[in-house]
Amino acid sequence: TQLLEQSPQFLSIQEGENLTVYCNSSSVFSSLQWYRQEPGEGPVLLVTVVTGGEVKKLKRLTFQFGDARKDSSLHITAAQPGDTGLYLCAGDSSNTGKLIFGQGTTLQVKP
Amino acid sequence: NAGVTQTPKFRILKIGQSMTLQCTQDMNHNYMYWYRQDPGMGLKLIYYSVGAGITDKGEVPNGYNVSRSTTEDFPLRLELAAPSQTSVYFCASSFGGRGYTFGSGTRLTVV
Repeated sequence: TQLLEQSPQFLSIQEGENLTVYCNSSSVFSSLQWYRQEPGEGPVLLVTVVTGGEVKKLKRLTFQFGDARKDSSLHITAAQPGDTGLYLCAGDSSNTGKLIFGQGTTLQVKP
Repeated sequence: NAGVTQTPKFRILKIGQSMTLQCTQDMNHNYMYWYRQDPGMGLKLIYYSVGAGITDKGEVPNGYNVSRSTTEDFPLRLELAAPSQTSVYFCASSFGGRGYTFGSGTRLTVV
């Protein structure tokens, strides 16, 4: 069974702090995606990474795909209360279009 | 542009009842998916479809059925509802498996 392990599962920080969320697996992924989900809504795609070592930036969010394409990280600089939500990583290991999701990281940013 | 539309948003079923969760997308995506989300468990794939007339099982298909008669619609059928099917159900679509667009979910309770 292919697994994506996210850590930490919960994170509560003050506004202005930095944080990193990790997504790890023993499987190689052809692509990896990060989503953000707010209560009562479906996940919304933030970014897709496909190349080993790739780094993508989205304002204060930096996403990195591991060189071996088995892991990824999401770094948020100077977190804001609006960043609060559930962050999910998801990978496609066999290029079939089926995503395997991690269990998610719940982030709370306090003002 | 509506994206992915799911109905109903909420439903309470009695054990043994049946129902169909509706999903329609207007983006001409070829891939469609049904996931269920339980607390702390991420999203688990129930069924998916790579095009009209083609469906396949995901990770947790037992107790569910699907059909894909058109590109736009991908209904999920629950037969003989059980308490274990209490969950939040998300429909999603994509073009070629990259970058899912999710609906806003159906919260189902089986009592």
